[in-house]
Parts: sequence; C-alpha cells; structure tokens
Amino acid sequence: SQTIHQWPATLVQPVGSPLSLECTVEGTSNPNLYWYRQAAGRGLQLLFYSVGIGQISSEVPQNLSASRPQDRQFILSSKKLLLSDSGFYLCARGGLAGDIHEQFFGPGTRLTVL
Amino acid sequence: AQSVAQPEDQVNVAEGNPLTVKCTYSVSGNPYLFWYVQYPNRGLQFLLKYITGDNLVKGSYGFEAEFNKSQTSFHLKKPSALVSDSALYFCAVRSPSGGSYIPTFGRGTSLIVHP
Repeated sequence: SQTIHQWPATLVQPVGSPLSLECTVEGTSNPNLYWYRQAAGRGLQLLFYSVGIGQISSEVPQNLSASRPQDRQFILSSKKLLLSDSGFYLCARGGLAGDIHEQFFGPGTRLTVL
Repeated sequence: AQSVAQPEDQVNVAEGNPLTVKCTYSVSGNPYLFWYVQYPNRGLQFLLKYITGDNLVKGSYGFEAEFNKSQTSFHLKKPSALVSDSALYFCAVRSPSGGSYIPTFGRGTSLIVHP
C-alpha cells in the first residue's frame, strides 16, 4: 500500500525560530511530491513540488524552502518563522508523468507560530 | 492556464435530502477532474475522478459527479445526505499534458448536513 507520513503532527513555535517538517512516502518510487499550506481551514496553496531527488520548484516567494534528499523524503524548512507561516501543512504524492491518478495526501502538520 | 471555481462557500442540507456541491472549471483540452473530501484536522481524501468515458462517475461513500463538457462543470452529488457527510469538499482539475501535472484546486465548499 502507499502511505504518506508527516512529522510532527502538531507544532508550536515562536516567531523567528527555525522550522523543519518532514514527509516520507512508502510503497512507490520516483513520485511527484508536493507541499501545500492551508490557512484557516480553506483553500490549498501550493508551496513547492518536486519531480525527483534534488529537484525543487517553488510556486510562491516566501521565507520557506524545501529539499528532497532522498527519493521518498520531502522536507519543508525555514530559517526564521513569521506569524503568517501558521497553518496546516499538507504533503501530497502525485503520479508519474502521464499518470492519470489522483493525489494522495498525508495527515498534515498543524503549525502555530506565536 | 487552468482554474476551478466552487461558487458556494457553504452548502446546507437536511439529512436524507439530496445534496449538490458545484464546481466549474477552465482548462486547455480535455480535463482530468477530481473531488476530494477533508474532515477537520485531516488530510484530503480522494472521492472520485473523471478521466474519460461515461459522464456520470461514481465514487466513495455514495457520492457521484456528472461531467458536463458544454457547461464546463463537474458537480458533486449524493441522493441522500448523512450527517457524517459534513466536511470540506474540494474540486480539482488537471490538464492531461504538461510536465509537472500539477492539479489546480478550488477554494473548497463546506457541506453542513443538519439532523
């Protein structure tokens, strides 16, 4: 089966502190991976996506960064958190190029920046 | 460019009544269309998709959706709503071509089913 793990589940951090959120995927190779942020329980904002190891594309300018050190690991980071970084962060896996499959989402990380 | 519109922020329906959550889209070529559901503090779960073929697609939990090419719509429906259907619903569209295959999501519609 294909499973997406996200760690931690919840996080409370002070403004200006660093951030590292981890996403790991099981049961598939060379997936497209995505980081989304959801604010106030509504729409999804695509932050980053990756089509392979070391390949990161950024969708919006921000103080966040992403890395993909291994095929099935996707990390979201920040050197200094802002209040506006609070939200629900979702990692998702998409199919390979040409795949017609839907995305699979992880359970999410709730980040509160105080 | 591709886009999705979910014109209703919230839909209220009584338990046992039929429900419809609306979605319209814009994309070049034939679309891939998806519906997802999100329960509080959870990730999105896939409900159903239209890729090709029959315009009426059936999915999980008794939901179905009808693809209407002329109206560029993909409305989600269920004949008889349950209180447990209360959740946030997202429509998404993706073009079959393009290097990253990134879907575009609507803003979501909150479905509230009243007992």
